[in-house]
Parts: sequence; C-alpha cells; structure tokens
Amino acid sequence: DQQVKQNSPSLSVQEGRISILNCDYTNSMFDYFLWYKKYPAEGPTFLISISSIKDKNEDGRFTVFLNKSAKHLSLHIVPSQPGDSAVYFCAASKGGTSYDKVIFGPGTSLSVIP
Amino acid sequence: KAGVTQTPRYLIKTRGQQVTLSCSPISGHRSVSWYQQTPGQGLQFLFEYFSETQRNKGNFPGRFSGRQFSNSRSEMNVSTLELGDSALYLCASSFVGYLNTEAFFGQGTRLTVV
Repeated sequence: DQQVKQNSPSLSVQEGRISILNCDYTNSMFDYFLWYKKYPAEGPTFLISISSIKDKNEDGRFTVFLNKSAKHLSLHIVPSQPGDSAVYFCAASKGGTSYDKVIFGPGTSLSVIP
Repeated sequence: KAGVTQTPRYLIKTRGQQVTLSCSPISGHRSVSWYQQTPGQGLQFLFEYFSETQRNKGNFPGRFSGRQFSNSRSEMNVSTLELGDSALYLCASSFVGYLNTEAFFGQGTRLTVV
C-alpha cells in the first residue's frame, strides 16, 4: 500500500497561472517532506523541502504547504512557466533523510501551456 | 564539476539473462544509492553503498545486488531478469548519504526486458 500518494498523474496549466500539485500521505510519523522535479532523460533534481514543524516554505516561485492534520501537502508554482513542465515527485521521510528512510510518491506530470 | 554518470543509457535484455549497470558518482562523493522507477510507483529504493559497504537495503529480491569500488563507482546487477524488471534505474550520489540538496541523480539507465 502506497504511503505517499499523488492522485493526479497529470496536470495542465496555462503559462502565468498557478500550478498546484497535491500529495497525500498515510504515515503520521513522517516528519520531513521533499519535492523533486524530473525532466525527460534527466535525473530528478531537488526542488524544495519542508519540516513538519512548519506549515509553509517558500523559495522563489515555489511554495510548499503542509497540513499535518489532513496528512496533505501541496506545491504551488506561481507564475507557471513552460520550463516548469516536468514530472514532480513528492517524498516523505521519518527520522532523517538517509536514502532508506525516504518514500517517494508516483509523480505528477505537469504541462505548462504557452 | 562532472555530474553523476550512468552507463549504459539504454539496454534491452531477454528474460532470464543478467545485466550490470554502472554509476560513477560526483568526485568526492562516497555514498551511492540505487532506485528503480516504474510508471505509477515512483522511485523505489534498492540499496545504498558507502565506502565500499552496503549500508542500507530496500525491499527487493536477492536477484538485485550491487557493489562499490574503492573509487566510489558502483555497479548494480540483476540476475534472472523478469519482464517486471523493465524500468528506469537511477543512481544518486552524495557526500554522506542524505537525500537533500547535496544529493544528485544520474540520468538513469532504461532497461527493457523482452
């Protein structure tokens, strides 16, 4: 059973609008969350993270929101640009970010339409 | 600074065969981890090597094995290939083995089992 879920396999957004990518998790012990971006034919790259002691973290156009009671986090991209078109993976961990502790979701493919 | 290099980029094998994939980490990085990416499953952790020792292992059968050499290059071997092993295999390298801003992924090896 997947502990990290990204229920939307794909999302299309107009350039300049807001992109909202959602992620749900089942394990309330997760205390650290990460987002990765992956272009075709490239490896995933780290985008942004958030600790469970926060409910929001912002980095430029990217903001991650965490709702612990709902076990839900979201990644907001404002404004969306065509270069943001990629697959976005949500990941969660408990007790550190060593490789064995991080669980990835299945990914959401974002298309930003010019 | 050279990135993480994975070879080969693409591979087609027949069921029952075995395969070896290679990963050269960023210079100075001693931790190399391996992931399997399949549609709908996200990235699933296979194992991590640090200073030539397997430090962590994911939930994969014994057909999946690996090793790391003194120059930190790592190889992953899959024996008795099954159709379900068709996937993108990614490796990541880092200094000490944490999945965060200091970890970098290679482009992956696309394995197709026919």
